[in-house]
Amino acid sequence: DAKTTQPPSMDCAEGRAANLPCNHSTISGNEYVYWYRQIHSQGPQYIIHGLKNNETNEMASLIITEDRKSSTLILPHATLRDTAVYYCIVRVDNFNKFYFGSGTKLNVKP
Amino acid sequence: EAGVAQSPRYKIIEKRQSVAFWCNPISGHATLYWYQQILGQGPKLLIQFQNNGVVDDSQLPKDRFSAERLKGVDSTLKIQPAKLEDSAVYLCASSSGTGGYYGYTFGSGTRLTVV
Repeated sequence: DAKTTQPPSMDCAEGRAANLPCNHSTISGNEYVYWYRQIHSQGPQYIIHGLKNNETNEMASLIITEDRKSSTLILPHATLRDTAVYYCIVRVDNFNKFYFGSGTKLNVKP
Repeated sequence: EAGVAQSPRYKIIEKRQSVAFWCNPISGHATLYWYQQILGQGPKLLIQFQNNGVVDDSQLPKDRFSAERLKGVDSTLKIQPAKLEDSAVYLCASSSGTGGYYGYTFGSGTRLTVV
């Protein structure tokens, strides 16, 4: 079962930063936080992951709170092509099983 | 590198018929997963393979679903007989390892409609 809680939907204006929150209050010390997104009619696509420290790559930034109970995915300059469902996932065991919740539907508007 | 290949892309069958889906993972990826995604929901894990062995099939409805991964490469997921509630997108994913920080690469999925 998913160990994360996300808002069902969010809106963002094109060109502005999109900040997607995720709660994972039962996360264990060795569990990673992953973010994937799913654009309509495609399979989920990897965005970023982290354990304790904040992470940044060419797609996004991941901010993890010090107690690791929540995180925020930041898309610095959202475009219309970023409209998708964003999934926050905690990898639950050493066999690398990912349990998806319902995700956040991000609507980027012109 | 080539991605995860799945076929067919779409399939429409009548209830009680049989159907099979095929997945070719990324070369060298030892771990392969099948997920079921019902419209409006997140993907649900059905089965996980490590090479050609099953690691977890606890959420696979074994009375009608079966899966195999011969020679630790390609995999086939079968439904027999299909029910209306099996209408979903079936996603295959592969990963290069277990533990640590290995992420998944997903295929585009097979959209199954049972009428």
